[in-house]
Amino acid sequence: LAKTTQPISMDSYEGQEVNITCSHNNIATNDYITWYQQFPSQGPRFIIQGYKTKVTNEVASLFIPADRKSSTLSLPRVSLSDTAVYYCLVGGFSGGYQKVTFGTGTKLQVIP
Amino acid sequence: SAVISQKPSRDICQRGTSLTIQCQVDSQVTMMFWYRQQPGQSLTLIATANQGSEATYESGFVIDKFPISRPNLTFSTLTVSNMSPEDSSIYLCSVVWEGRGETQYFGPGTRLLVL
Repeated sequence: LAKTTQPISMDSYEGQEVNITCSHNNIATNDYITWYQQFPSQGPRFIIQGYKTKVTNEVASLFIPADRKSSTLSLPRVSLSDTAVYYCLVGGFSGGYQKVTFGTGTKLQVIP
Repeated sequence: SAVISQKPSRDICQRGTSLTIQCQVDSQVTMMFWYRQQPGQSLTLIATANQGSEATYESGFVIDKFPISRPNLTFSTLTVSNMSPEDSSIYLCSVVWEGRGETQYFGPGTRLLVL
């Protein structure tokens, strides 16, 4: 299983762009990179997923370099409601089983 | 979008008792999983709930302590048996739909406090 490394915590002011980088040096060829957001006492919420290059949706962008050994989640113009823990996952599902491990996550605190 | 629900949402239990947590999905899913999240910690996979067969447990988790059922493609239960205060956690189910990519979606979680 690919191991991920993220900063434990980050602070940002409202309205700023936030970039959270995740390292995954032993990512496998078939692995996808997925980011989740979790608020206290709630289940993780899917944000974005990518395999290579750049992916963008209505919530965030995901940048993946050519070697895929890292990825960066970009949140544009954060608000107080973006205060949460963000998890980077690497892996996938095959044969009915998963080869995905949750890392420690990054606790983002948005400051007014 | 599909809905994943869990019952109960929270419970307070006495040590030595058991609690069964239900996970219901409003459409058939390929895979279902159960996680535990201890206070202030990340998520740990307990087991894969296999439809029509015994669950597959991760290292450190055993069937006697966490029996799991999955009678069909939309429903699963996790029982936390002979509880102790160390079992106080949030228990989450997650699902993967075939054809929706390598993505799992999570239920709202069940917050369990064991006294």
